[in-house]
Amino acid sequence: AQSVTQLGSHVSVSEGALVLLRCNYSSSVPPYLFWYVQYPNQGLQLLLKYTSAATLVKGINGFEAEFKKSETSFHLTKPSAHMSDAAEYFCAVSESGTASKLTFGTGTRLQVTL
Amino acid sequence: EPEVTQTPSHQVTQMGQEVILRCVPISNHLYFYWYRQILGQKVEFLVSFYNNEISEKSEIFDDQFSVERPDGSNFTLKIRSTKLEDSAMYFCAIAEGGTQYFGPGTRLLVL
Repeated sequence: AQSVTQLGSHVSVSEGALVLLRCNYSSSVPPYLFWYVQYPNQGLQLLLKYTSAATLVKGINGFEAEFKKSETSFHLTKPSAHMSDAAEYFCAVSESGTASKLTFGTGTRLQVTL
Repeated sequence: EPEVTQTPSHQVTQMGQEVILRCVPISNHLYFYWYRQILGQKVEFLVSFYNNEISEKSEIFDDQFSVERPDGSNFTLKIRSTKLEDSAMYFCAIAEGGTQYFGPGTRLLVL
C-alpha cells in the first residue's frame, strides 16, 4: 500500500521568502512522485514529477523538489514566493507509471503575504 | 500538456436521481481515471479504465457507480442513485508519458 503525508495543512510565507512544503511518502516499491497545484475553483495542474531519474526535479513556475529515499521525502521548494503562488498544493504517489492510481496527500494551502 | 474537458462544470441534482458526468480528452488516450474531492478534503481515487475495461477501483466505487467509453471519445461516470454524500468535485484524468493530467472537474451538488 502507498500513502502520502503532508505536514502542515496551511503554510504562510511573505512575498519573496522561501517556500517549503513537506511531503513524506510510503511505498512498497520504488515510487513515482508528483506535485500538483490547485488554484481556487480550478482543476489540478502538474507542477513536477519524479520518475527515478534525477533526484532533484525542476518544475514549472520556479518550483523544484528533491527525492530523498533515505528520508522517504519529496519536499517542494521555491526560492522566492510570489503572490500568484497562493494555492493548494498536493503531493501524490503512484507505484508505477501510466496505469497506477495516484494516492494524494491531504494538501497544503499556501498563503503568500505582502 | 494534453487537454481534458469535462461537462457539465456544475450539476445540481436531487437525492436518488441519476447523473452522468462526461470527460472528453482531445487526443486518443488509453488510460482514464476518475477521482473525487469532497469539499475541504483530499483527492480520492475512484476508478481506472484501460482498453475499455475497469483496471482498478477503490472501495468508494460501489455498485451505484459505473464507467464507460460509449463512443470511443467520451468517458463517462454514472452515479445511479445519488446520495447526499456524493456531493463533491469529480475529476477525470488521462495518462500520458507516465503522468496523469486532470480535467477542470465537475462540481456535483446533491440536495
